[in-house]
Amino acid sequence: SQQGEEDPQALSIQEGENATMNCSYKTSINNLQWYRQNSGRGLVHLILIRSNEREKHSGRLRVTLDTSKKSSSLLITASRAADTASYFCATVEGNFNKFYFGSGTKLNVKP
Amino acid sequence: NAGVTQTPKFQVLKTGQSMTLQCAQDMNHNSMYWYRQDPGMGLRLIYYSASEGTTDKGEVPNGYNVSRLNKREFSLRLESAAPSQTSVYFCASSEIWTRKRHNEQFFGPGTRLTVL
Repeated sequence: SQQGEEDPQALSIQEGENATMNCSYKTSINNLQWYRQNSGRGLVHLILIRSNEREKHSGRLRVTLDTSKKSSSLLITASRAADTASYFCATVEGNFNKFYFGSGTKLNVKP
Repeated sequence: NAGVTQTPKFQVLKTGQSMTLQCAQDMNHNSMYWYRQDPGMGLRLIYYSASEGTTDKGEVPNGYNVSRLNKREFSLRLESAAPSQTSVYFCASSEIWTRKRHNEQFFGPGTRLTVL
């Protein structure tokens, strides 16, 4: 299976701190995407990084991709209580329409 | 725009019963997907439809069938429900990937299905 693995499974930090979560995957990818899921809701797309990119920024989000290590990281800077959610990475293979989601990192930001 | 809608929101079935989960999107997307999410886990792809008229199996297709009724609608059918199919089901849609266009997925709110 291509399914990615996020690390850590759970993360608890104080408001204002940075949160880093990692994703590892198994085979070649076209792009990698990060999603957020609030409890009981559907997933919401955060950011996409293509296989030929190494770093991407969007607001307080920074994503890196290392295709040689088959890994990605998501950094949320200056976290807020509202960032409390589960975060998932999704890899997209050469078959561009097939997505594989990781098991997620559950982030708890304490006010 | 409503985005991706799913019906029903909740459903309880007895083992052996059948049902169809409905999904519709109003973003004119070509691709649609069905996932299941079990407690504390990520999403697993059941079936997807890259474009109208095509459907393909995902990671966990056994026990399910799909129909891409038109560009807007993609339904998931459980012919004979089993307790192992108790899960939250999400429908999603996206554009087809191209070098100039992102193929991010847009998700519906989910259907919570319990099979007794």
